[in-house]
Amino acid sequence: GESVGLHLPTLSVQEGDNSIINCAYSNSASDYFIWYKQESGKGPQFIIDIRSNMDKRQGQRVTVLLNKTVKHLSLQIAATQPGDSAVYFCAENNAGNMLTFGGGTRLMVKP
Amino acid sequence: GAGVSQSPSNKVTEKGKDVELRCDPISGHTALYWYRQSLGQGLEFLIYFQGNSAPDKSGLPSDRFSAERTGGSVSTLTIQRTQQEDSAVYLCASSFQQGRGYGYTFGSGTRLTVV
Repeated sequence: GESVGLHLPTLSVQEGDNSIINCAYSNSASDYFIWYKQESGKGPQFIIDIRSNMDKRQGQRVTVLLNKTVKHLSLQIAATQPGDSAVYFCAENNAGNMLTFGGGTRLMVKP
Repeated sequence: GAGVSQSPSNKVTEKGKDVELRCDPISGHTALYWYRQSLGQGLEFLIYFQGNSAPDKSGLPSDRFSAERTGGSVSTLTIQRTQQEDSAVYLCASSFQQGRGYGYTFGSGTRLTVV
């Protein structure tokens, strides 16, 4: 089974609120992490990444936090908008050459 | 092309028939991956090609599944004697280097329905 993430939970937030999507990983050798956004009928799209020598990285309205001590990754979306509604996947790159994907979280934004 | 292109976008086939799914990666990307995504589920790794190396087939669910990559570019995923449980979205991705430290660019997928 997957070493990253949980089995597709759903997060419902009010438009304008901040969203926090969480992901747990089990491989302490993982040194690179990515968040993907998948809208209905489309393939996953890269949002933001972070390497293990960092614990925080910010993009436009998004922030990724990495806690290596507890092997936890989170994606924070500021001022969530209806266009943010999608499934979000975390992925890890460990000693191998491939990404291992989590089960995904569905984000629903209420107007 | 500008992105990863997959065809067809939708495919309905009868149980027992063979199907071929095509992926055109981004020009210059040496790594190509196939994933399967069942309805409402996560991404299941199928197979990985890197340059001229032997592919990593460790994710293929049965010997009915095979894939090839010709000329280091276009890839075809073939499913023989399709079963209803093969119904899913098949996603292709490519990356410039081997996976470590680089993200993938995904295509929009092929939705396969076996009836």
